Amino acid sequence: KQEVTQIPAALSVPEGENLVLNCSFTDSAIYNLQWFRQDPGKGLTSLLLIQSSQREQTSGRLNASLDKSSGRSTLYIAASQPGDSATYLCAVVYGGSQGNLIFGKGTKLSVKP
Amino acid sequence: NAGVTQTPKFQVLKTGQSMTLQCAQDMNHEYMSWYRQDPGMGLRLIHYSVGAGITDQGEVPNGYNVSRSTTEDFPLRLLSAAPSQTSVYFCASSLSGGHTDTQYFGPGTRLTVL
Repeated sequence: KQEVTQIPAALSVPEGENLVLNCSFTDSAIYNLQWFRQDPGKGLTSLLLIQSSQREQTSGRLNASLDKSSGRSTLYIAASQPGDSATYLCAVVYGGSQGNLIFGKGTKLSVKP
Repeated sequence: NAGVTQTPKFQVLKTGQSMTLQCAQDMNHEYMSWYRQDPGMGLRLIHYSVGAGITDQGEVPNGYNVSRSTTEDFPLRLLSAAPSQTSVYFCASSLSGGHTDTQYFGPGTRLTVL
């Protein structure tokens, strides 16, 4: 059974720091991996989608990498800001499913001014 | 575009009551799905649909019913609410559920069953 793990569960950093969030998955037969952001009491916002054939995707200060063979993805946030404070969720669409997401439990990020 | 909309935002039910959570999207997406989010459990798939008239079960389907009569709407029905169904429910959609498709989520419905 595909499982997705995110470490750490919570992270607190000072403003301006570069940081890395980690995601690992047990079955490398995935179609894609997505990173989402969730603000308290809100829905999920898609940040980046990496297809299984890709190694990384970038959007502004965010860079996500994918290493399918080792079952790992990282989300790099450059020059963090207090507005980046949120929970970041990693999810995979695994082989044989039709867009069904398997989620990690998230990393709660707090960026202190 | 309004994106994915969900109603109601909050709901309190008594054990045994039934209700329908509404989900609609205006992006002409074929794929729609329902997730529940519980503390310590993360998000889990309840039901999904790959097009009008086609639905299937996810990881935690028991106690829930769905139907998809139009492309736009994908309601989730609780047949006889139980306290274990207290959760936050999210609806999501994507173009076709394909490998390149970003998934869009609604704002959620927070349900409490007493």
